Amino acid sequence: GIQVEQSPPDLILQEGANSTLRCNFSDSVNNLQWFHQNPWGQLINLFYIPSGTKQNGRLSATTVATERYSLLYISSSQTTDSGVYFCAVGWTGTASKLTFGTGTRLQVTL
Amino acid sequence: AAGVIQSPRHLIKEKRETATLKCYPIPRHDTVYWYQQGPGQDPQFLISFYEKMQSDKGSIPDRFSAQQFSDYHSELNMSSLELGDSALYFCASQRDRGRRTMTTQYFGPGTRLTVL
Repeated sequence: GIQVEQSPPDLILQEGANSTLRCNFSDSVNNLQWFHQNPWGQLINLFYIPSGTKQNGRLSATTVATERYSLLYISSSQTTDSGVYFCAVGWTGTASKLTFGTGTRLQVTL
Repeated sequence: AAGVIQSPRHLIKEKRETATLKCYPIPRHDTVYWYQQGPGQDPQFLISFYEKMQSDKGSIPDRFSAQQFSDYHSELNMSSLELGDSALYFCASQRDRGRRTMTTQYFGPGTRLTVL
């Protein structure tokens, strides 16, 4: 099956810092979503971005499908950004299920 | 906006008991997915339904079964529970627009199952 790798696995930032999270995948996809899992376990949809670039406030994401990677940018980080960030990919040839990466655990400190 | 509803949110069961988890998709969404997330792990796909028919199956134990009903809600039935079944169970819904077009999967808040 498709492999999804995320880096870095862990990240500690001071409030106000910027960061870039990376997601590499091993095969063609036509669904790529970024999630933030908060300390209560909820998976929050950040972006649906199988290709191109999107921005939402302090967050932005870019997917280069031909090179099989996606980047999530967090600017001016806040303590509420702490949690685990997952990249998940899907392909209609596999009945659209999402395969998740192992996540990046982000801790933002004061 | 309406979101995916899951019930119960928390469930505590003893070993060998049964559990039923329910999922109510976003209105007009015809596809439902179930995922299991063990402690410290990423979510893993269990099973999916499109228009009330099973569309795909992942690493779902034979002790588990699921179905999607005429009103599109889905239930995950788990029998002979084991300690290793303790996990967060997510339901996600999606509006399918055909095999060549993907859309966002929206996740519910999850059901936290603890097996003692």
